[in-house]
Amino acid sequence: EIQLVESGGKLVQPGGSLRLSCAASGFTFSTYSMNWVRQAPGKGLEWVSYISSSSGTIYYADSVRGRFTISRDNARNSLYLQMRSLRVEDTAVYYCARVQMAGRRGYFDYWGQGTLVPVSS
Amino acid sequence: EIVMTQSPATLSVSPGERATLSCRASQSVDNNLAWYQQKPGQAPRLLIYGASTRATGIPARFSGSGSGTEFTLTISSLQSEDFAVYYCHQYNDWPLYTFGQGTKLDIK
Repeated sequence: EIQLVESGGKLVQPGGSLRLSCAASGFTFSTYSMNWVRQAPGKGLEWVSYISSSSGTIYYADSVRGRFTISRDNARNSLYLQMRSLRVEDTAVYYCARVQMAGRRGYFDYWGQGTLVPVSS
Repeated sequence: EIVMTQSPATLSVSPGERATLSCRASQSVDNNLAWYQQKPGQAPRLLIYGASTRATGIPARFSGSGSGTEFTLTISSLQSEDFAVYYCHQYNDWPLYTFGQGTKLDIK
């Protein structure tokens, strides 16, 4: 069974830092690109960051570029999101999502259950 | 950035009836369009990819259509478990993925 399990979310003050993790199982993690997607309370979905299977290609949404860093450890079947200079508007549930390629494009076929990051003083 | 606009924001339908949800892209996304279902407190669940292909395990009452800028998700006969929020997602403009704002499907 394919599973993605996020962890690391907790209350943090504005300006603070936090590292999220996503543990993958049930598939060959090292062969899939991965993403972080977030959802503010009562709002829609917002793509945050992408990392290719080998970590050779990384992208960020404008809203987090320069503050967030995505990484992965294929030996540990884990995806990470290092978040710095957190703002109140970063408050959201953060999901990791696997990319399934269809030709040269990829959609998100499996999602974790999410981890909540409240940013508040 | 490709803007995805879903309509209506809320749709009230009775069980057993048909529901039709719309999604419009600000520019062509070919058929690189997915639909997700999300229930309260749960992660999104993939329903449709490639605009019209059902994901594994998705019942046949769910169908997707469209290409370019206009897309539709149809649920042919609503079951109680179908009442949820539905999002469309374009993955053509990779990796600048964008989602629609969602359509909430309510019990009438």
